[in-house]
Amino acid sequence: EVKLVESGGGLVQPGRSLRLSCAASGFTFDNYAMFWVRQAPGKGLEWVSSISWNSDSIGYADSVKGRFTISRDNAQNSVYLQMNSLTTEDTAFYFCAKEGMARSYDSWGQGTLVTVSS
Amino acid sequence: EIVLTQSPATLSLSPGERATLSCRASQSVHSTYLAWYQQKPGQAPRLLIYDASIRANGIPARFSGSGSGTDFTLTINSLEPEDFAVYYCQQLSDWCSFGQGTKLEIK
Repeated sequence: EVKLVESGGGLVQPGRSLRLSCAASGFTFDNYAMFWVRQAPGKGLEWVSSISWNSDSIGYADSVKGRFTISRDNAQNSVYLQMNSLTTEDTAFYFCAKEGMARSYDSWGQGTLVTVSS
Repeated sequence: EIVLTQSPATLSLSPGERATLSCRASQSVHSTYLAWYQQKPGQAPRLLIYDASIRANGIPARFSGSGSGTDFTLTINSLEPEDFAVYYCQQLSDWCSFGQGTKLEIK
């Protein structure tokens, strides 16, 4: 069974940093691209970032480019999101997801809440 | 950036009826890279359809997807009580973007 467990969320002040982790199990992690998607409370889904299986291809939404960094450790079956210079606009649930057929996101974690507030 | 516009924003129907949800892209999307998701309150999204028309594992046959180019549709035949949720389309042609969602509510 595929399992994705996010951690690292919490309350942080504007301008500070936070690092999210996503621990994966139940599949061959280094065969798949991984993704981060966020959802502000009561709002829709917003793609944040993608990383290929070997980290050669990485992409970011314009809203986080230059502030967020995605990375992965295939030995640890984990993907990370380093978030710097956080603003209140970054307050959201952050989900990690796994690549499926035709680049779809076929498995999702339950999310971790990041609240940016003074 | 490819912008996806879903309509209607809210759809009010009764169990047993058919739901038709639309997703329009600002530029052509390769149909292989169009997906649909269902999300219920407090839950992560669930993949329903990928490649515009292929049901994901375990998705009932009452869910179907169609379309090409800039216009895509998710159809749910004979609505069940558990189908009332929010639905999102997603394009994966140019990185990724989601539509703003259609809320399917009980009439």
